[in-house]
Amino acid sequence: DTGVSQDPRHKITKRGQNVTFRCDPISEHNRLYWYRQTLGQGPEFLTYFQNEAQLEKSRLLSDRFSAERPKGSFSTLEIQRTEQGDSAMYLCASSYFNSGYTFGSGTRLTVV
Amino acid sequence: GESVGLHLPTLSVQEGDNSIINCAYSNSASDYFIWYKQESGKGPQFIIDIRSNMDKRQGQRVTVLLNKTVKHLSLQIAATQPGDSAVYFCAENPTNFGNEKLTFGTGTRLTIIP
Repeated sequence: DTGVSQDPRHKITKRGQNVTFRCDPISEHNRLYWYRQTLGQGPEFLTYFQNEAQLEKSRLLSDRFSAERPKGSFSTLEIQRTEQGDSAMYLCASSYFNSGYTFGSGTRLTVV
Repeated sequence: GESVGLHLPTLSVQEGDNSIINCAYSNSASDYFIWYKQESGKGPQFIIDIRSNMDKRQGQRVTVLLNKTVKHLSLQIAATQPGDSAVYFCAENPTNFGNEKLTFGTGTRLTIIP
């Protein structure tokens, strides 16, 4: 196991298009988190799962955003009708209950 | 256009010297604090953590100090090396039930001068 994997690493999309990112957590981790990070800022919490259940969502997660973790393993984050303000680094992290987070390297989204 | 927004606090330290990075947190109910290091193009990397029942914790070359009275956290890095150059974030967990979510500070850019 090489840690948390995110795909793609970079995504450039036109405004109005839909995008989907994937996160593969560390295999024995039951919790998975999504964060968003804009240039010069710290990561901001978006949502988290425990196994396949989505337990909390931030108000940052507008109705254009949806996250799933269908089998309690990998997760996807979809953004519909992208806007320029969605340009950011999307970070995924995983943990086993209260153990420390391990972050992936992120997906950098640029909306043009 | 794209905003630049790179107005991070910065700290430059001579290689081999010690550095101290400070952080003020906001929630007096937070009971768990973590320092992360983030290098360019990478996700945050765990450095050290501390719970609110402690005021000091040491790791390898790093020490975290917690002052709950003034809601202040600091990270001390001893004998800095070029590889320590990165952005450092403090994060707090504002619940009593573990790290469901973290609130991150703005970050400090540390530059080690060879």
